[in-house]
Amino acid sequence: DGGITQSPKYLFRKEGQNVTLSCEQNLNHDAMYWYRQDPGQGLRLIYYSQIVNDFQKGDIAEGYSVSREKKESFPLTVTSAQKNPTAFYLCASSIGTGSNTEAFFGQGTRLTVV
Amino acid sequence: AQKVTQAQTEISVVEKEDVTLDCVYETRDTTYYLFWYKQPPSGELVFLIRRNSFDEQNEISGRYSWNFQKSTSSFNFTITASQVVDSAVYFCALSDFASGGSYIPTFGRGTSLIVHP
Repeated sequence: DGGITQSPKYLFRKEGQNVTLSCEQNLNHDAMYWYRQDPGQGLRLIYYSQIVNDFQKGDIAEGYSVSREKKESFPLTVTSAQKNPTAFYLCASSIGTGSNTEAFFGQGTRLTVV
Repeated sequence: AQKVTQAQTEISVVEKEDVTLDCVYETRDTTYYLFWYKQPPSGELVFLIRRNSFDEQNEISGRYSWNFQKSTSSFNFTITASQVVDSAVYFCALSDFASGGSYIPTFGRGTSLIVHP
């Protein structure tokens, strides 16, 4: 079945470590997104990519990095520069950012700093 | 700039009650799109509906209905005869023509709906 797969579902990080969250889609979508969800904050955009080898910062990109080397993959690295990384991270994709189509979401990764 | 406001943080109802979730948006664009998503406890957001700014017709889908009013910049969502399975966090989202020529969805903070048996 087509969809978006995020892994791992739960991730624990020690302070000062970088960690990478995986996001893979087989929907043949051009656009992919990373959102962060905190209680009471809703979803906030970290990064998005409209096409392979291109990506743009969202509202809260500091302390994060991404790559888009393949159409189906959009990994997110949470670096040690991110001061408060504990959150629920959601990856999404859509046909493109030039259209009005809805986004499809993965099941999320819950990151906890220990 | 764009903004989506869901003023209701949490709503608690008893099964079979009707409930309305409010969504107010701000945009300077004349062409934009509005969405509602449901987030069950599993975490994955599920798309419910999309509406473009030129279509103000209300829509009904089973127990769900949506009321889009441009005059008040609102896109409210009503669940009729609520059920326990409706318990989830509901997000309203707006896509308008952001810089760079892209439609990037911006989400509200969500409304947590709890339906008691």
